[in-house]
Amino acid sequence: GPKVLQIPSHQIIDMGQMVTLNCDPVSNHLYFYWYKQILGQQMEFLVNFYNGKVMEKSKLFKDQFSVERPDGSYFTLKIQPTALEDSAVYFCASSLRTGEYEQYFGPGTRLTVL
Amino acid sequence: GDSVTQTEGLVTLTEGLPVMLNCTYQTAYSTFLFWYVQHLNEAPKLLLKSSTDNKRTEHQGFHATLHKSSSSFHLQKSSAQLSDSALYYCALSDRDSFNKLTFGAGTRLAVCP
Repeated sequence: GPKVLQIPSHQIIDMGQMVTLNCDPVSNHLYFYWYKQILGQQMEFLVNFYNGKVMEKSKLFKDQFSVERPDGSYFTLKIQPTALEDSAVYFCASSLRTGEYEQYFGPGTRLTVL
Repeated sequence: GDSVTQTEGLVTLTEGLPVMLNCTYQTAYSTFLFWYVQHLNEAPKLLLKSSTDNKRTEHQGFHATLHKSSSSFHLQKSSAQLSDSALYYCALSDRDSFNKLTFGAGTRLAVCP
């Protein structure tokens, strides 16, 4: 079936550095999402993105976070600067439409901030 | 706000026995309910979905019925297989959001021979 790819699978960085997480969504999908999962906790919505704009974001989506998808390439999550509490697995997802349409998830990027 | 509760963190059972994973939810809006399954080191994948009250939905041997009166969407299977061992997430999205999913904490199902 359709696959969402995430690059890299693991990233270790020092606190205060910038990090960009990359997502290659399903090719004809229009809606894109990021979710955050801290170890041992549930997956939580961060942001969704459509037609070049953030449609909705949660309180977890701090000012240091930004998303973009320039020219239909990767959908990226950038954190600048990073903090210790940003350590988590970040899942990207995409869907063709909203509502009952399935979100296809990537395998996640494990981010460790030291 | 919306919330999803999965009461069991871990369910361990023997191959061939029935499976029931609980899911209840709270939302002020009309809702879609989903079950996602995540095998080790893989991406979460959709297993079932529903928005219709009291209608059974089935896929890959699993089934669930959305009961709006009790705000429940329990996942069931008549006979567990070893390959069913995975992490199962219940999730909801409400019609007023742009498909934001609210997840439960997840239930790990471990099926033993």
